[in-house]
Amino acid sequence: NAGVMQNPRHLVRRRGQEARLRCSPMKGHSHVYWYRQLPEEGLKFMVYLQKENIIDESGMPKERFSAEFPKEGPSILRIQQVVRGDSAAYFCASSPQENIQYFGAGTRLSVL
Amino acid sequence: DAKTTQPPSMDCAEGRAANLPCNHSTISGNEYVYWYRQIHSQGPQYIIHGLKNNETNEMASLIITEDRKSSTLILPHATLRDTAVYYCIGTNTGNQFYFGTGTSLTVIP
Repeated sequence: NAGVMQNPRHLVRRRGQEARLRCSPMKGHSHVYWYRQLPEEGLKFMVYLQKENIIDESGMPKERFSAEFPKEGPSILRIQQVVRGDSAAYFCASSPQENIQYFGAGTRLSVL
Repeated sequence: DAKTTQPPSMDCAEGRAANLPCNHSTISGNEYVYWYRQIHSQGPQYIIHGLKNNETNEMASLIITEDRKSSTLILPHATLRDTAVYYCIGTNTGNQFYFGTGTSLTVIP
């Protein structure tokens, strides 16, 4: 059973471009979570989704950030018009229900 | 969700038991305590979780005090590969984990 798959592992964008991060949950998992980790800090919750629904987006910045988990395909975290402060590691986790979260290896976003 | 407090860093000799404390004095009756670790910059790895009773699995043991205000994660025979940041998390929903700054454990040869 493959783990949570995130791609790309590393993403470089120039200021003003869009960043699109993908997350494929573990087989049988219908709950997806996104976290952001700035250098030397702990993970910060961003958003929790189930298939086609955003359940909790209390950690999402109000502008430029959006997330989706369509009926088919991976979950997508989209950052529009990236700025240098968006440089971070973005982790996705999945769970079969609201309990143990299994994390992917993360996407390292660098904004030039 | 319960606020947790952990020491910022600890050392442990290789082969010895590593005991990592966590204070969660504000935890409520239906909140679980989860432990994760993050090795270098990898994704967090689930270790163990519990509600009231002590728990043990192939990785570690979790000892929760009777009043549930604190817990201890025990790695029975620490190896160099256990060097990581360990996070204690209290949550009643299982959907929004608050990771805090954790304890940086260094296993010394």
